[in-house]
Amino acid sequence: LAKTTQPISMDSYEGQEVNITCSHNNIATNDYITWYQQFPSQGPRFIIQGYKTKVTNEVASLFIPADRKSSTLSLPRVSLSDTAVYYCLVARNTGGFKTIFGAGTRLFVKA
Amino acid sequence: NAGVTQTPKFRILKIGQSMTLQCTQDMNHNYMYWYRQDPGMGLKLIYYSVGAGITDKGEVPNGYNVSRSTTEDFPLRLELAAPSQTSVYFCASSPGGLGNYGYTFGSGTRLTVV
Repeated sequence: LAKTTQPISMDSYEGQEVNITCSHNNIATNDYITWYQQFPSQGPRFIIQGYKTKVTNEVASLFIPADRKSSTLSLPRVSLSDTAVYYCLVARNTGGFKTIFGAGTRLFVKA
Repeated sequence: NAGVTQTPKFRILKIGQSMTLQCTQDMNHNYMYWYRQDPGMGLKLIYYSVGAGITDKGEVPNGYNVSRSTTEDFPLRLELAAPSQTSVYFCASSPGGLGNYGYTFGSGTRLTVV
């Protein structure tokens, strides 16, 4: 199973673009990459999911290179309310549910 | 929409006691999951279910049991609580498998075993 590695923490300022990279060197063909956001005392919230290339929604973009060994979550113009922990998840649903949550990246957005 | 509802929000158990963590979803999702999250750590999958009557073990199932008699409910049972089970427990659901759908998580149950 693909183990994920993320930076432990990141600091940013309001209005900046933030890029958080997740490494998953052993990702398998059937694995998808999903990112979640978690605020204190709350359950994680789905942000975005992708398999390859680029995916964009109203809150973020996800960049996945051709070898899929890493992925980058891009948050445009962050605000104070984006201060949270961001988890990269690599998961598959063949042969049973195997999910690997990384330790997460603590993003702190400053004014 | 209520989404995924977990009860209770907080609970303190004594070693050896038993309890059931309740989880209900109103989105008609087939897949449901239980995770635990220890302080400063990521989430670990305890059990999951792909539909009513079907459950299977995740990464850390020891000390827990589940049942899925209806699509909506997925309770988690702790039979003999141990301090190692002190954690925050999250229930989640998704419409399909992990391939194409994200999870909807509940707000969690904070359990302390003393």
